This record gives sequence, C-alpha cells and structure tokens, in this order.
Amino acid sequence: ETGVTQTPRHLVMGMTNKKSLKCEQHLGHNAMYWYKQSAKKPLELMFVYSLEERVENNSVPSRFSPECPNSSHLFLHLHTLQPEDSALYLCASSQDRQGFGYEQYFGPGTRLTVT
Amino acid sequence: DAKTTQPPSMDCAEGRAANLPCNHSTISGNEYVYWYRQIHSQGPQYIIHGLKNNETNEMASLIITEDRKSSTLILPHATLRDTAVYYCIVRVLNNAGNMLTFGGGTRLMVKP
Repeated sequence: ETGVTQTPRHLVMGMTNKKSLKCEQHLGHNAMYWYKQSAKKPLELMFVYSLEERVENNSVPSRFSPECPNSSHLFLHLHTLQPEDSALYLCASSQDRQGFGYEQYFGPGTRLTVT
Repeated sequence: DAKTTQPPSMDCAEGRAANLPCNHSTISGNEYVYWYRQIHSQGPQYIIHGLKNNETNEMASLIITEDRKSSTLILPHATLRDTAVYYCIVRVLNNAGNMLTFGGGTRLMVKP
C-alpha cells in the first residue's frame, strides 16, 4: 500500500450506531488530519494531530472522537450521529518541518450516510 | 489565513492552456500561495506552492504578481483528466497546526 488509505470507503449507519473510520499513511509523515466535506460546501478541517498530539479541534461536536495511536494511524470514532453528518470524510497527512513546505496528501475519503 | 477569491467556474478546450486566477489582496508578507485540486469523488491533490517567485513543476506553473495580491495557476496543455475543482489557499509556512482553509474553488471543465 502506498500513500494514504481510508477504510471503509462507504458506510451507512443509523443514528444510534457506533462506528469508526480508519486512516493509514505509508509516507513516514508526522502529522495527520480529518476533514469533512458536505455537499456543496467547502472542505472543513475537523482535527489535526502533530507528533501524535492533537493540536487542533475545530469546534467539532463530541459525537466525533478522534484517536491517533501512532504517527501512521488515525481513527475517527462516531456515535449518535445526525443525518446532517452525512458527508465525505477525508484524511490527510503531511511532514511537518519548520521552514519547508508541508503539502498535505489526502486519502480517497469515506462516504458516510446517516439514516 | 488570508482570504482568497476565485471564479466559481471556467471552461477550457482540451490541449489549450488553462489559466486559473486567484485574488488574495490581503496576503501578508510571510504567507505562501498553495494550489490543490479535487477530482470528482477523490481527495484533494497538492499541485504547487510559492511565496513571491514564479514556480513550475511537472504539473503546473504558478505566476504571482509583483505586489503578491493575485496569482495564476497555469496548466499548459489541459487534458480531460484535468477537469476538477481547483483551490487557491494562502497560509503562513511556519504556522503551527498546519491548517488549510479551503474556499469554494474554481470548477474547471476541460472540453474536447
């Protein structure tokens, strides 16, 4: 596997379910991100992890809970979601280093539908 | 991050150059210009970035005006596979947290 992978690619869940999205990066990067892309809206940054520490929580509801067990893996735990949480959830990674460009590499996304 | 303004959509004929403008009139001296694109149903893809000099790589060229208040992304020979939404983002290079703020972008349609 190369780049950034995300599983599952598609997920349908009820409002009372608990599920997790998984992201894995094979690029040796030290920062990982979760973004949300709703229909006809710009990408919204949700969470940022740098060196496995959360450095940003962009006012995301507590029904979304991120976890970064190591620099290669990132999870997004979901519980008690609402239909308006249906969206494409994108994971990205980058190599943080002072003074250099840190382009982000994105995974293919998980298309989530909450029923 | 400085706000950017892009046209919502553009068309380009296949094989011709696609010139995508971006206005960032409030850009600060230490803010870089980044371009990403998102092909339908895929994650965004990094294209290029620059500070004040023009930049070129295998994908595109980035032309930044001398006052840095606007820039143009150039795809020299557009193909149908270049049909995507193109995002212009400006940000401070050393800003902790490495947060990208995406706007609406420009939807480029390359036509045969």
